[in-house]
Amino acid sequence: GAGVSQSPRYKVAKRGQDVALRCDPISGHVSLFWYQQALGQGPEFLTYFQNEAQLDKSGLPSDRFFAERPEGSVSTLKIQRTQQEDSAVYLCASSLRTPAEKLFFGSGTQLSVL
Amino acid sequence: AQTVTQSQPEMSVQEAETVTLSCTYDTSENNYYLFWYKQPPSRQMILVIRQEAYKQQNATENRFSVNFQKAAKSFSLKISDSQLGDTAMYFCAFCGNKLVFGAGTILRVKS
Repeated sequence: GAGVSQSPRYKVAKRGQDVALRCDPISGHVSLFWYQQALGQGPEFLTYFQNEAQLDKSGLPSDRFFAERPEGSVSTLKIQRTQQEDSAVYLCASSLRTPAEKLFFGSGTQLSVL
Repeated sequence: AQTVTQSQPEMSVQEAETVTLSCTYDTSENNYYLFWYKQPPSRQMILVIRQEAYKQQNATENRFSVNFQKAAKSFSLKISDSQLGDTAMYFCAFCGNKLVFGAGTILRVKS
């Protein structure tokens, strides 16, 4: 596709359930980022991949959060044993090479934990 | 750690008028990039303008321009001839080795 694709667009989970959020970056983009955006707030950095290597995971809020990009293209953000405070929009973005270039964002996955 | 501060939670402007959104940042780095992103209700984050810190000349993009004051660590966005379609959340962002966003300013353009 022409842009960054994220699925599902909406996800409702019961507290304690595991969820997996998918990101399809633009083909050929080396850098991939995950952000968490709470309602009315700015996106908060979660993690950064360069190809398949996870170079920075300093923003992951707990060990319940795990991200992977095994073949350097599609990425999955997994949240185990979801809690209500995990409710947010999860944004994925990619850039051709470095973080300093223009980032192309997906439309996000809105996660609601009940 | 880098921080980005947007001190205006909300702004309003009449259609066709000019508005300035404020942004300050804190960093010890010398080489970095600054951005303004627009996020309409669709949630799609759209790049408005980008500035390299080593360039003294302020970036412009059609109706959008910045006032970059490196010593003051200030990076404001000016929108000229505001249009109804400019209504959105605007985020200032700093990039050293990763992109860090401010809390955002809601801009409402009134007809």
